[in-house]
Amino acid sequence: QKEVEQNSGPLSVPEGAIASLNCTYSDRVSQSFFWYRQYSGKSPELIMSIYSNGDKEDGRFTAQLNKASQYVSLLIRDSQPSDSATYLCAVNQRGGSNYKLTFGKGTLLTVNP
Amino acid sequence: GAGVSQSPSNKVTEKGKDVELRCDPISGHTALYWYRQSLGQGLEFLIYFQGNSAPDKSGLPSDRFSAERTGGSVSTLTIQRTQQEDSAVYLCASSPDPTDTQYFGPGTRLTVL
Repeated sequence: QKEVEQNSGPLSVPEGAIASLNCTYSDRVSQSFFWYRQYSGKSPELIMSIYSNGDKEDGRFTAQLNKASQYVSLLIRDSQPSDSATYLCAVNQRGGSNYKLTFGKGTLLTVNP
Repeated sequence: GAGVSQSPSNKVTEKGKDVELRCDPISGHTALYWYRQSLGQGLEFLIYFQGNSAPDKSGLPSDRFSAERTGGSVSTLTIQRTQQEDSAVYLCASSPDPTDTQYFGPGTRLTVL
């Protein structure tokens, strides 16, 4: 079973702080990695995609990928109450001709005003 | 442009009835996916289509589940003889190619009484 593990949370940070979300995966051949945000009762919304080792920044969000350590992280700077949601780490996995995203169970983030 | 659309948004049915869920992907996206999210559970992959073809149907939970895609566009997920354990949110996603970002629709909330 190819797994994706996230720090279980919940994670609570004050407004303006940095929130750090972590994810490890077991499938060494995976090449595509994603962070989705899911508000309660809504569908997942893409935050970041990352394909190469290193950092990728987009506004207040930075994704970090280390394929050797099989580790993906998401940093949210200057956290806002509107960032309060469940964050899902997803890894694109290929099995034969089949492609799918395998998701972690998610980390619930609460940003306190 | 228009995102992934799904219908119905909510479906309440009686145990033993058949239901059909519809997904309309983003125009031009060749890859289409179905996932299921049960209350308090993670996202579970069901099936992937490349064009009209599903190379591997082993993710479908039972033989009561079937899916098809026609014209490289709309897909339907059919559940026959529904059971209470089928109650979940069924999410459809599409992507330009199978290694690229998947964009999710709003989901269909299925309740089996």
